[in-house]
Amino acid sequence: QKEVEQDPGPLSVPEGAIVSLNCTYSNSAFQYFMWYRQYSRKGPELLMYTYSSGNKEDGRFTAQVDKSSKYISLFIRDSQPSDSATYLCAMSGSSASKIIFGSGTRLSIRP
Amino acid sequence: GAGVSQSPSNKVTEKGKDVELRCDPISGHTALYWYRQSLGQGLEFLIYFQGNSAPDKSGLPSDRFSAERTGGSVSTLTIQRTQQEDSAVYLCASSPRAQGNTGELFFGEGSRLTVL
Repeated sequence: QKEVEQDPGPLSVPEGAIVSLNCTYSNSAFQYFMWYRQYSRKGPELLMYTYSSGNKEDGRFTAQVDKSSKYISLFIRDSQPSDSATYLCAMSGSSASKIIFGSGTRLSIRP
Repeated sequence: GAGVSQSPSNKVTEKGKDVELRCDPISGHTALYWYRQSLGQGLEFLIYFQGNSAPDKSGLPSDRFSAERTGGSVSTLTIQRTQQEDSAVYLCASSPRAQGNTGELFFGEGSRLTVL
């Protein structure tokens, strides 16, 4: 079993829709949770990070962490075609020597 | 430069040859990571350097893989006796944080390796 599980998609939604992306994990030591966005043939870029449980909002993006369920989510409101990319969840523990990534969800926003 | 620089951007090699991939991190960043990304897959952790500490090599898939970081800056990932399953994009990332645990990794654009 992988430490981090993420549905690879692809996920296709119409412009303006709310998008929900999710990851589950097995290591209860994880405390830092991140979402990265990766455009084709580019390196990933940090989108959001949260520490421990709770919500964090940044513009159209909201990250949620539920440590009791070992489940994290990223919501995108008013999705735009420019949001089309692969979204990778990532997480690390307090020792933080490794950041473990999910397999990524490929998202396509249809105009 | 302003970002993480990786070279070569593309490398085609024959099975059994050795390859070296280079990473120039952002100046002043103490942490450096190597990841591997196969087609349509997520990022597979390979190795992590933090300052002068011993590197975390727990992700290296076999003893054909090795990496070094000279002077706390430039890093080289070496793959000996390449196999076709080594074909992937090798991504380097650096971080300004002491422990790198805030997730602020800055990635290069990767070195795409194809083993024939």
